[in-house]
Amino acid sequence: KAGVTQTPRYLIKTRGQQVTLSCSPISGHRSVSWYQQTPGQGLQFLFEYFSETQRNKGNFPGRFSGRQFSNSRSEMNVSTLELGDSALYLCASRGGNTEAFFGQGTRLTVV
Amino acid sequence: GENVEQHPSTLSVQEGDSAVIKCTYSDSASNYFPWYKQELGKRPQLIIDIRSNVGEKKDQRIAVTLNKTAKHFSLHITETQPEDSAVYFCAASRGYQKVTFGIGTKLQVIP
Repeated sequence: KAGVTQTPRYLIKTRGQQVTLSCSPISGHRSVSWYQQTPGQGLQFLFEYFSETQRNKGNFPGRFSGRQFSNSRSEMNVSTLELGDSALYLCASRGGNTEAFFGQGTRLTVV
Repeated sequence: GENVEQHPSTLSVQEGDSAVIKCTYSDSASNYFPWYKQELGKRPQLIIDIRSNVGEKKDQRIAVTLNKTAKHFSLHITETQPEDSAVYFCAASRGYQKVTFGIGTKLQVIP
């Protein structure tokens, strides 16, 4: 069974640009969550999608958005990038009220 | 929404000693409590979990206890080894709701 796949693994962007990250969940998993991880800040919840609907949203500005497709793949978009957006972005998929499986993450650097 | 507090943020122990990490949660309806281990440069991975109908669960050198009345749960690692050095995250969720993570504990096992 393939794991959670995130692409790309690394990104370097300039302030003001926008970026799109992709997450392919484990086959059969309908829930995909996104987290931002920075040193000392743990796993900050961005949002969760379930069956193409955003079910939960964290406390991030509107520059952070996402969507989920009918095959459960999810994308996350960040517009007007700021230096503080530099982080590891992790997605996780779940098949129910069970373990969340994480992807390897996308390391975003904003310069 | 759910709030999970975790402490300590850093923990150093001698090899062979025990390590304890504690977490509290705010939503009394939370019923699933996983613990994740994140090694440097890697994704978080589940090491043990417990559901609200169980008070304690053990897996070799790792054990988790849950006190529903006090709304706190703890991770116990006995006979620590250098490979136990990592960041540990506790988490809580309710049904199919999002998983809320603690801020993480950086465990260092000194040989």
